[in-house]
Amino acid sequence: DTGVSQNPRHKITKRGQNVTFRCDPISEHNRLYWYRQTLGQGPEFLTYFQNEAQLEKSRLLSDRFSAERPKGSFSTLEIQRTEQGDSAMYLCASSSGGGPYNEQFFGPGTRLTVL
Amino acid sequence: AQKVTQAQTEISVVEKEDVTLDCVYETRDTTYYLFWYKQPPSGELVFLIRRNSFDEQNEISGRYSWNFQKSTSSFNFTITASQVVDSAVYFCALSEANYGGSQGNLIFGKGTKLSVKP
Repeated sequence: DTGVSQNPRHKITKRGQNVTFRCDPISEHNRLYWYRQTLGQGPEFLTYFQNEAQLEKSRLLSDRFSAERPKGSFSTLEIQRTEQGDSAMYLCASSSGGGPYNEQFFGPGTRLTVL
Repeated sequence: AQKVTQAQTEISVVEKEDVTLDCVYETRDTTYYLFWYKQPPSGELVFLIRRNSFDEQNEISGRYSWNFQKSTSSFNFTITASQVVDSAVYFCALSEANYGGSQGNLIFGKGTKLSVKP
């Protein structure tokens, strides 16, 4: 059984560096979501894709953040010029169908630490 | 504005006790969906249940039960006869169907950390 996978699981970087995370959704899931979770908080929505189209971006997603989902399969989330405030767990989720009622399956997350 | 409030930050119980986790939501949509997720120490969020705004019927699944009341905008989760393996952070989440065109992204509460001691 292949669930949602994310790589790397942990990333430590220095302030100002660029980082890229990868998410592989469940096969055939057409929706892919990115969330960010900081300590003691619930996940916060960043952006989502319907197939390869990025349909919505949160105000949390500054210009330093960019996400792609080429060919509607895996997705990447890049953070440029990282700041200490970017330290968080970055979660990816996928779902089938196109509605708000669909259950989202979450990956294990990528924990980013910016020194 | 849409919002989910989980007022209980941490709850500690002894094994076999019943425990209820509270969830209160705010939304302007007439059609919406409510979810509960479990986040064990390993970190991966696990889906527990989904409810739509038109179905107020309570649901029971084994030791888990959910009480949805639109009149009080609440969707509470009860674990009966708790076990150590229930220790985790539990999140309530809201997904709206109509307002603002946001279709599908989940709005989470801050979570309730449940510790079940043997």
